[in-house]
Amino acid sequence: DVKVTQSSRYLVKRTGEKVFLECVQDMDHENMFWYRQDPGLGLRLIYFSYDVKMKEKGDIPEGYSVSREKKERFSLILESASTNQTSMYLCASSLSGGDGYTFGSGTRLTVV
Amino acid sequence: KQEVTQIPAALSVPEGENLVLNCSFTDSAIYNLQWFRQDPGKGLTSLLLIQSSQREQTSGRLNASLDKSSGRSTLYIAASQPGDSATYLCAVPGSGNTPLVFGKGTRLSVIA
Repeated sequence: DVKVTQSSRYLVKRTGEKVFLECVQDMDHENMFWYRQDPGLGLRLIYFSYDVKMKEKGDIPEGYSVSREKKERFSLILESASTNQTSMYLCASSLSGGDGYTFGSGTRLTVV
Repeated sequence: KQEVTQIPAALSVPEGENLVLNCSFTDSAIYNLQWFRQDPGKGLTSLLLIQSSQREQTSGRLNASLDKSSGRSTLYIAASQPGDSATYLCAVPGSGNTPLVFGKGTRLSVIA
């Protein structure tokens, strides 16, 4: 089975800190995605990548950036964390277009 | 822009009942539809993936149907059990085959 691993389950950071959320998949998937999930708003797409060194903005990219230097790793970066970025962050991957997504277990980030 | 709606938002049933969860989407030009399960505080687990050429998929007590022309899918759960209690999410590709767009989910409680 494909495994998508998010490095932290829970994270507490201070306002203004630079935060790195790491995601690694182990099945040579082409596509990787970052979503955030908030009560009442559901899952919203932040950034995605269809290839190494490629990135595309999703619906809510403001305040975030990403890095994909290797195929298996897709990092989400909060340049200067703010309290409104407190959320559950979910990483996913898929082999190619038309294939199902596999999600990681999520990172619950709290910014204080 | 693709929009996904799930009805009902919450459902409580006694153990042993058969139940149906509904999902509708606005842009029917999709190549697949995926149903997920999410337990509180956890990531998403894929339940069923239906390709656009298929009308239904089955896995154990779960059966998902897809009617592309009407923009609808249903998830049928037979003989519900307390362990089925979770939030069920439906997702389809965005317009122009962009990454998955999610409904806000149906929160299911199965009472023993």
